[in-house]
Amino acid sequence: KAGVTQTPRYLIKTRGQQVTLSCSPISGHRSVSWYQQTPGQGLQFLFEYFSETQRNKGNFPGRFSGRQFSNSRSEMNVSTLELGDSALYLCASSPGLAGVPDTQYFGPGTRLTVL
Amino acid sequence: AQSVTQLDSQVPVFEEAPVELRCNYSSSVSVYLFWYVQYPNQGLQLLLKYLSGSTLVESINGFEAEFNKSQTSFHLRKPSVHISDTAEYFCAVSPLASGGSYIPTFGRGTSLIVHP
Repeated sequence: KAGVTQTPRYLIKTRGQQVTLSCSPISGHRSVSWYQQTPGQGLQFLFEYFSETQRNKGNFPGRFSGRQFSNSRSEMNVSTLELGDSALYLCASSPGLAGVPDTQYFGPGTRLTVL
Repeated sequence: AQSVTQLDSQVPVFEEAPVELRCNYSSSVSVYLFWYVQYPNQGLQLLLKYLSGSTLVESINGFEAEFNKSQTSFHLRKPSVHISDTAEYFCAVSPLASGGSYIPTFGRGTSLIVHP
């Protein structure tokens, strides 16, 4: 099976702009989670989507949003970018079965730099 | 709420020496424990996990971790490291979240640097 893919791999934006990141999960996986990775904070959970519905959400402002399509592909959007949004954004997919602690399969990430 | 503490941000070691990467967690409920590894310029990948049963779990590349409930620890060990083990290692705790899914909380990572 192909792994989790994320596009683009690198992105440079300026403050105030918005950005959309894309994630294609492993075939058959219905859960997609997004994480922000920074040197100071480590990995922080943004949100999880399952069957096109947001199932869990972390403690991030409303500028961070996401969605999932019927084919389980997911997009994450950040509006009104701030310098502090510079980070590696990781997407992870899993089968999403209820009652089972899934292994998360991570993509290579999108490196976002905000100038 | 749960938290994960990785006590060492960086662990330098010589090749073929043993290594231990420490992980402690706090949680008011039963948890499931994971170690993930991130090689340079790559995403995270699962190294090993504890769900139930034997408290000692092993990976295919020689790492092992032991779940110690009384000390709320899940330390990662390898008796002899290789240059290729140089990477960032993340400990994660997964309690049951709303909606029936398990959302892992990650530690801040330990950078293992293996010197020749």
